[in-house]
Amino acid sequence: AQSVTQPDIHITVSEGASLELRCNYSYGATPYLFWYVQSPGQGLQLLLKYFSGDTLVQGIKGFEAEFKRSQSSFNLRKPSVHWSDAAEYFCAVGATGAAGNKLTFGGGTRVLVKP
Amino acid sequence: KAGVTQTPRYLIKTRGQQVTLSCSPISGHRSVSWYQQTPGQGLQFLFEYFSETQRNKGNFPGRFSGRQFSNSRSEMNVSTLELGDSALYLCASSLAGSGAYNEQFFGPGTRLTVL
Repeated sequence: AQSVTQPDIHITVSEGASLELRCNYSYGATPYLFWYVQSPGQGLQLLLKYFSGDTLVQGIKGFEAEFKRSQSSFNLRKPSVHWSDAAEYFCAVGATGAAGNKLTFGGGTRVLVKP
Repeated sequence: KAGVTQTPRYLIKTRGQQVTLSCSPISGHRSVSWYQQTPGQGLQFLFEYFSETQRNKGNFPGRFSGRQFSNSRSEMNVSTLELGDSALYLCASSLAGSGAYNEQFFGPGTRLTVL
């Protein structure tokens, strides 16, 4: 069965500083990997996804993530954080097959941005 | 194209009651998945419906059920509500099919509070 671990529950970063959120996954086959962001009281917005190909993927809002198969990781980065990036971030692995689609999420990392 | 819509957005019920939540997928999407989000358990997969059939199910008691209509709209029902059912219930839709992973698009969620 697939699983996702986000080791950091909370991260505080100063506005303008860089941000890196960690994600480790466990999945038997080639994974479909996602990063979602959730603002308070809102649903999930897709930041970026990795299906195959280039291991460095670009997403919306200036985010990027790097897939490292050898480390089973898919870390999210942003070079310069804006106050509006304060939110909760979820890494997820997607499974598919005859039983359909299913996303397994990590526990989330809450990002606080200091002025 | 309109996104995934969920109704109602907020709901308050008392223990022992039952509740029905509704989800309208993006036009053309035939798969609807449901997820429960709680502070303690995080985001957990409930079930997925495709062509009016439950195709995949998470590890939830039988009090949680769902259905999908011919127009792909879906409802989920929780009977005999417990305090622990208080959560944000998220619906996600995707195109269809199995094999290659189909990206899921999330609605804003229904916030259920059980008193």
